[in-house]
Amino acid sequence: AQSVTQLGSHVSVSEGALVLLRCNYSSSVPPYLFWYVQYPNQGLQLLLKYTTGATLVKGINGFEAEFKKSETSFHLTKPSAHMSDAAEYFCAVSAGSNTGKLIFGQGTTLQVKP
Amino acid sequence: DTGVSQDPRHKITKRGQNVTFRCDPISEHNRLYWYRQTLGQGPEFLTYFQNEAQLEKSRLLSDRFSAERPKGSFSTLEIQRTEQGDSAMYLCASSLGGGQSNYGYTFGSGTRLTVV
Repeated sequence: AQSVTQLGSHVSVSEGALVLLRCNYSSSVPPYLFWYVQYPNQGLQLLLKYTTGATLVKGINGFEAEFKKSETSFHLTKPSAHMSDAAEYFCAVSAGSNTGKLIFGQGTTLQVKP
Repeated sequence: DTGVSQDPRHKITKRGQNVTFRCDPISEHNRLYWYRQTLGQGPEFLTYFQNEAQLEKSRLLSDRFSAERPKGSFSTLEIQRTEQGDSAMYLCASSLGGGQSNYGYTFGSGTRLTVV
């Protein structure tokens, strides 16, 4: 069975600092991995995804994530935080190659301080 | 392409009443998903359709919940005899998919249900 663990329910950084949001997954099949962002009272927006191929994936708004199979990790990073990055971030793993169902982590709230 | 639309955005209902939500996916997407999200948690899978066929239903979905996608386009989610524990954000998403493909979802803005 697939599962996702996001380490740290709240992360606070200063504007301009590195953003690092941690995600570890468990999957019995080669995983498809996703990061979504959610702003208050809105749905989730896809930031980036890993399916196959290059393990470093780039997404929107300057975010990127690296798939590390040996560490079962898919951490999200951004070199320089902006105030507009403050939101909730969810890591997700595909539940299997045929369903499209995603299993989400519990989320990490990113606070950006001026 | 106007994205995934959900209606209504907010619904307040009395315990014991029935409610129905609607989701209009992106027109070329063959898969449609319903998720439930409570405060401080990630979305939890409820059910999904490929075209008009309901292919999977979570054990979270009690007999009071039913979903349809009659013509493979829009979908409805009905909750009968609502309970306070049903209060949550109900999210709809759509995607292209089939076999081993998974291109990621497009989510709607959700319907927030409050049962009083």
